[in-house]
Amino acid sequence: QKEVEQNSGPLSVPEGAIASLNCTYSDRGSQSFFWYRQYSGKSPELIMSIYSNGDKEDGRFTAQLNKASQYVSLLIRDSQPSDSATYLCAVNPASGGSYIPTFGRGTSLIVHP
Amino acid sequence: SAVISQKPSRDICQRGTSLTIQCQVDSQVTMMFWYRQQPGQSLTLIATANQGSEATYESGFVIDKFPISRPNLTFSTLTVSNMSPEDSSIYLCSVGGELTDTQYFGPGTRLTVL
Repeated sequence: QKEVEQNSGPLSVPEGAIASLNCTYSDRGSQSFFWYRQYSGKSPELIMSIYSNGDKEDGRFTAQLNKASQYVSLLIRDSQPSDSATYLCAVNPASGGSYIPTFGRGTSLIVHP
Repeated sequence: SAVISQKPSRDICQRGTSLTIQCQVDSQVTMMFWYRQQPGQSLTLIATANQGSEATYESGFVIDKFPISRPNLTFSTLTVSNMSPEDSSIYLCSVGGELTDTQYFGPGTRLTVL
């Protein structure tokens, strides 16, 4: 059973702070990792993907991957109230050529003014 | 990225009835997916719908309860049959998983069963 674990939160941070969202996964051979953002009442949208160990930066977002520890994180710098949403971690399995990800339960982020 | 529409966006249904959800994509895709997202839960894959073949269902989901059609490369339907309040959920279709390992989601259908 492939599992993706996230703290459900809510994670509450003040505006302007760094929000740190974490995710662990069970399938050691997983190759690709994603962060989706889901606003209340909306569908998930992709914000970051990462495939190699280390950091990947895109604007205020940084994804971090450590395959040895089976850990992926998302940092949001200069957090804004508009970042308040649920963040879903998704992991693609290692075998079979399938690109169907396993999703975590999501972490609710609240950025307060 | 693909543009995906779903109909209806929401519905309130009576126990024992069925609802068919439509998903339309603006480009031809081989694989379409149907997910369920229950309140406070993550996305659970119901089935993969490939054009020209039977849908592939995940553990815990059966064709009699969730029949799927895939008549062409841009369209699919999911029917939620003989509904009970436990079927109250958001149902999402998505595409991806072929040339890209990114999933693109439709806006979802919010279903409430009384």
